[in-house]
Amino acid sequence: EAQVTQNPRYLITVTGKKLTVTCSQNMNHEYMSWYRQDPGLGLRQIYYSMNVEVTDKGDVPEGYKVSRKEKRNFPLILESPSPNQTSLYFCASSLGRAKFFGPGTRLTVL
Amino acid sequence: QKEVEQNSGPLSVPEGAIASLNCTYSDRGSQSFFWYRQYSGKSPELIMFIYSNGDKEDGRFTAQLNKASQYVSLLIRDSQPSDSATYLCAVVNYGGSQGNLIFGKGTKLSVKP
Repeated sequence: EAQVTQNPRYLITVTGKKLTVTCSQNMNHEYMSWYRQDPGLGLRQIYYSMNVEVTDKGDVPEGYKVSRKEKRNFPLILESPSPNQTSLYFCASSLGRAKFFGPGTRLTVL
Repeated sequence: QKEVEQNSGPLSVPEGAIASLNCTYSDRGSQSFFWYRQYSGKSPELIMFIYSNGDKEDGRFTAQLNKASQYVSLLIRDSQPSDSATYLCAVVNYGGSQGNLIFGKGTKLSVKP
């Protein structure tokens, strides 16, 4: 089954404790991206990747890192999470201009 | 700042009616336009895309694009309670990469039985 998977789906952590949210797709898509979704602000792009070893900042990259060592994986790294990074995070991969989203990761930073 | 604007709603329509969802965008050079549906607590799901002026129909859904007016809409015919969701309009701007999809904040649709 073609899909985008994310782990973990839910995470509660504390300020400053490094964490990684994994994202994997099995559709051989070149383009992958990360979004956060907040009430009243909608979906905002954090980072995107056009191919292996090619990444670029989106609209809200501060406090986040990404890597793209393999085509299928695009992890999101929070080196020192802060409460303002509490959000719902979505990974997406793209076929042409259409994006397919993962199930989401609800992150709470205390 | 390139923007995509949607009425947040909620838009309430009776079952069987036509729901009309609207979206405007600021970048005149925008090329590609998408409609996503998002159920509460779920991920966005692509339902329609349109690239050229005019109408595009897919089942009960029709996307309409007017580049001169910088306006894109989604019509849902014979609305069903299962259509109740938030509908997100998204745009790829001129020169934008496939990664650079700009989303509106969404319109919440409620279809009453």
